[in-house]
Amino acid sequence: SAVISQKPSRDICQRGTSLTIQCQVDSQVTMMFWYRQQPGQSLTLIATANQGSEATYESGFVIDKFPISRPNLTFSTLTVSNMSPEDSSIYLCSVEEDGGRYEKLFFGSGTQLSVL
Amino acid sequence: AQKITQTQPGMFVQEKEAVTLDCTYDTSDPSYGLFWYKQPSSGEMIFLIYQGSYDQQNATEGRYSLNFQKARKSANLVISASQLGDSAMYFCAMSSSNSGYALNFGKGTSLLVTP
Repeated sequence: SAVISQKPSRDICQRGTSLTIQCQVDSQVTMMFWYRQQPGQSLTLIATANQGSEATYESGFVIDKFPISRPNLTFSTLTVSNMSPEDSSIYLCSVEEDGGRYEKLFFGSGTQLSVL
Repeated sequence: AQKITQTQPGMFVQEKEAVTLDCTYDTSDPSYGLFWYKQPSSGEMIFLIYQGSYDQQNATEGRYSLNFQKARKSANLVISASQLGDSAMYFCAMSSSNSGYALNFGKGTSLLVTP
């Protein structure tokens, strides 16, 4: 299975600042996804990042707040901009891998963000 | 639209016993996949098992099996011979070609395995 490295693993940030989260995969993948998990909640899809095109955002998420880059097939970044305490969450990247019979979806280890 | 429902916020099971975690789903897509993930306190999401909508047999992966009842739209996870290390959050999720293979998650079930 794909090995996904996500950095940073955790960070504490001040209100109004921005944080960029990196997701590196050890193999080329077509689709990468960014999820948010608010405290005590389930995972919610932020956007789908495809190489060579603009990210597709889910309802409630906008590019100005969560800009995403996907410069190649092994790397993506998610920026959380102008942070507020409500942005305190775990952010996870996920990649799709051809499992033969189905598309497997694997996750990075997550970035635990706390905004003061 | 897809919807995943996990009605058990928390479950207890004694070590070495089996436990069933419930999951029901709703979708209009004819082709879809159902996943179960484990999230320990460390926060990582660990893939456990997959069931395709056209699969005739229930999926099994070691101590994990999926009780797939398509007509009832349920995909319950069965963990046999529970171990203390199984204590974690468990999420049921669905994907389909119409959703771009992104996962739609249920709210999760917290499982505690007791000695």
